[in-house]
Amino acid sequence: EVQLVESGGGLVKPGGSLRLSCAASGFTFSSYSMNWVRQAPGKGLEWVSSISSSSSYIYYADSVKGRFTISRDNAKNSLYLQMNSLRAEDTAVYYCARDSQYYDILTGTPSNWFDPWGQGTLVTVSS
Amino acid sequence: EIVLTQSPATLSLSPGERATLSCRASQSVSSYLAWYQQKPGQAPRLLIYDASNRATGIPARFSGSGSGTDFTLTISSLEPEDFAVYYCQQRSTGGLTFGGGTKVEIK
Repeated sequence: EVQLVESGGGLVKPGGSLRLSCAASGFTFSSYSMNWVRQAPGKGLEWVSSISSSSSYIYYADSVKGRFTISRDNAKNSLYLQMNSLRAEDTAVYYCARDSQYYDILTGTPSNWFDPWGQGTLVTVSS
Repeated sequence: EIVLTQSPATLSLSPGERATLSCRASQSVSSYLAWYQQKPGQAPRLLIYDASNRATGIPARFSGSGSGTDFTLTISSLEPEDFAVYYCQQRSTGGLTFGGGTKVEIK
């Protein structure tokens, strides 16, 4: 069974930093692109960042570019999100999501559909 | 950035009724659109990808259609477990974006 378990969330002051982790199991982690998606309380979904299977390609939403860094360790089956210069508007549940199985097997091009998702970890930025 | 607009914001229906949800893109996304279902306190779940393909394990009562800028998610006959929030998402250009969601509630 595919499992994604996020950790590292919590309460942090504006301007502070936090590092989220996502532990993956039940699939060949090194074969899939991975993503972070967030959801502010009572709001919709917002894509945050994506990283390719070998870390060669990394993308960020404009709202976090220059402040957040995505990374992965394929040997540890883990995904990370380093969040610096945090703002109140970064308050959200952060989900780790795998690229779906519907990627292009021949070229390795990610599908950019998110499936499955972890249960999320809450990040609260407040003084 | 491509903006996805979902309508209506809320849909009030009874079990057994047909639900029709709309997602409109600010510019063409070809068929690069997906639909997700999210229940309270849970993570989203992929329902439909590439506009009309059901994800593994998704019941046949869910169907997707459309291309370009106008897309529809149809639930042919609502089951009690289908009352949830539904989001569309595009993967065309300029970053990945989601619509604002449609809540399907029990009438």
